[in-house]
Amino acid sequence: GAVVSQHPSWVICKSGTSVKIECRSLDFQATTMFWYRQFPKQSLMLMATSNEGSKATYEQGVEKDKFLINHASLTLSTLTVTSAHPEDSSFYICSARDQGEELFFGEGSRLTVL
Amino acid sequence: ILNVEQSPQSLHVQEGDSTNFTCSFPSSNFYALHWYRWETAKSPEALFVMTLNGDEKKKGRISATLNTKEGYSYLYIKGSQPEDSATYLCAPVRAGNMLTFGGGTRLMVKP
Repeated sequence: GAVVSQHPSWVICKSGTSVKIECRSLDFQATTMFWYRQFPKQSLMLMATSNEGSKATYEQGVEKDKFLINHASLTLSTLTVTSAHPEDSSFYICSARDQGEELFFGEGSRLTVL
Repeated sequence: ILNVEQSPQSLHVQEGDSTNFTCSFPSSNFYALHWYRWETAKSPEALFVMTLNGDEKKKGRISATLNTKEGYSYLYIKGSQPEDSATYLCAPVRAGNMLTFGGGTRLMVKP
């Protein structure tokens, strides 16, 4: 199956700093990628849809200025958590579709903001 | 936002036991249902994509059924093995081809 790689797996940062998470499709081109967030004991929640060459589409309640998404190429989408605060500590995971309906996921990134 | 319920939340079984769990979702405006297996420290992996009422899909010892009229899907594992230990996620598809994930069922199979 298709492979999606996400980096970094773990990141710890100080409050007020920005953190960038990368999501790459390694063996296919992804015009659309999806970013999810998962808080402890909760389900994966879609944050935004990342569209190559255009603006991301954010879900209701997700601050677009807080979570900057850039999808500059067909194989790379980045999520930048700006001015991170402890409440942004969470598990972030990306996914993409290849040619079928199923999603291929990255490994996820655990963010801890001190 | 769709209300997707998975039960049970967690399940401990002995190796060799067969098991099943449930995904419930709103039956209106149904497009498709996905099942994923998520092993610890790995990426979620697609098991099935189901679209038709009465659909039954099988992959090895794992099978799934779908009832779109009443809004539920069952996932069955026959003769559970320790390597089946994972969290199983279901996700109905809503308008715009967006998935809404349930909370998952965490399965632990003891050798």
